[in-house]
Amino acid sequence: EAGVAQSPRYKIIEKRQSVAFWCNPISGHATLYWYQQILGQGPKLLIQFQNNGVVDDSQLPKDRFSAERLKGVDSTLKIQPAKLEDSAVYLCASSHQGYGYTFGSGTRLTVV
Amino acid sequence: KNEVEQSPQNLTAQEGEFITINCSYSVGISALHWLQQHPGGGIVSLFMLSSGKKKHGRLIATINIQEKHSSLHITASHPRDSAVYICAAMYSGGGADGLTFGKGTHLIIQP
Repeated sequence: EAGVAQSPRYKIIEKRQSVAFWCNPISGHATLYWYQQILGQGPKLLIQFQNNGVVDDSQLPKDRFSAERLKGVDSTLKIQPAKLEDSAVYLCASSHQGYGYTFGSGTRLTVV
Repeated sequence: KNEVEQSPQNLTAQEGEFITINCSYSVGISALHWLQQHPGGGIVSLFMLSSGKKKHGRLIATINIQEKHSSLHITASHPRDSAVYICAAMYSGGGADGLTFGKGTHLIIQP
């Protein structure tokens, strides 16, 4: 079974630039999550999708972060404009009704 | 506030030792996950528990719902077990089941 695919693996941008990350979940997993993991901390949930609808985005900084899952399959997370404190690993995960939680390898973002 | 506390933060042990990592959470949960994270970011789900005990190879996870406490045990530890182990609680409500993570336990098993 293919895992959760994420791209790119690494990204370096200057502050105030924009960046986008892509995630393709496990086939059949209706639920997709984006997490932010700052160095030395546990991941923090940014947004949860159920199919193409948002279930929880309470911790998403909506002034600069946006995410979409238009067809209920793959998803993109965008940051515009980026700040230095956005440097982190962005993890995508998927599950089937909370079961089979599977994480992607993450995108390591460095903002300089 | 939903919080997850793990201990110890760092643990160094000799190969063959029995390892215990503890996790406590603040309020009722629907499930608790134990995850393993290797350098480079990859996270692997080890267990998902809502009650009792689960075993997979040399790994054992237990949860006590009344005490809001879970433990991860590794028997006959091996250097390849070296990783960060993370406890994550699933607080479900209104369809939201995102995980709240502990800060992780950095385990090093020396040969």
